[in-house]
Amino acid sequence: DTAVSQTPKYLVTQMGNDKSIKCEQNLGHDTMYWYKQDSKKFLKIMFSYNNKELIINETVPNRFSPKSPDKAHLNLHINSLELGDSAVYFCAAGTSGYEQYFGPGTRLTVT
Amino acid sequence: AQTVTQSQPEMSVQEAETVTLSCTYDTSESDYYLFWYKQPPSRQMILVIRQEAYKQQNATENRFSVNFQKAAKSFSLKISDSQLGDAAMYFCASSPGNTGKLIFGQGTTLQVKP
Repeated sequence: DTAVSQTPKYLVTQMGNDKSIKCEQNLGHDTMYWYKQDSKKFLKIMFSYNNKELIINETVPNRFSPKSPDKAHLNLHINSLELGDSAVYFCAAGTSGYEQYFGPGTRLTVT
Repeated sequence: AQTVTQSQPEMSVQEAETVTLSCTYDTSESDYYLFWYKQPPSRQMILVIRQEAYKQQNATENRFSVNFQKAAKSFSLKISDSQLGDAAMYFCASSPGNTGKLIFGQGTTLQVKP
């Protein structure tokens, strides 16, 4: 069974559109994260939720809105997509200080 | 703010040889953890090794070991008996003890030559 899954794996869309990426974990961890990996492969934390509560919001534009319906799911909704949003988005789940389990990533391409 | 620096964008090693990847970090936290993650071309992030900052003993996982120098804020990764499957991008990361977020370095691409 996949520990952390993301859908879709690839997303191609036009500027100005709104899109969502879904993430699910079956590990039972209370904390989930979203990371962005840019074209230079640099990875940066975006958000973190602990048991459905937002605990980290790292200066991400308001167009990005995470939602956690329950502690097994953390979705990322992006409004008014821009070219600079093109990146790979990783969802992760884990316990503070221990391994974070990453999803396979979603490659978002904005044209 | 916490920062992590990997000064080697690319490294190469001959199969079966040993290679060391460098990492330095800066933190004001007293409680933190350090990690090395591997990202092969499949882009899956895979944990290689983890170190608790309060432990002086260097972590080891099979062919992978670290040289943790707390005073120097250095956390290098040594890969022994390198294998072709070790070819990947390697990321050093630090994590404060309270939030668990990972702060990544820029990454080092490791090439393994047969």
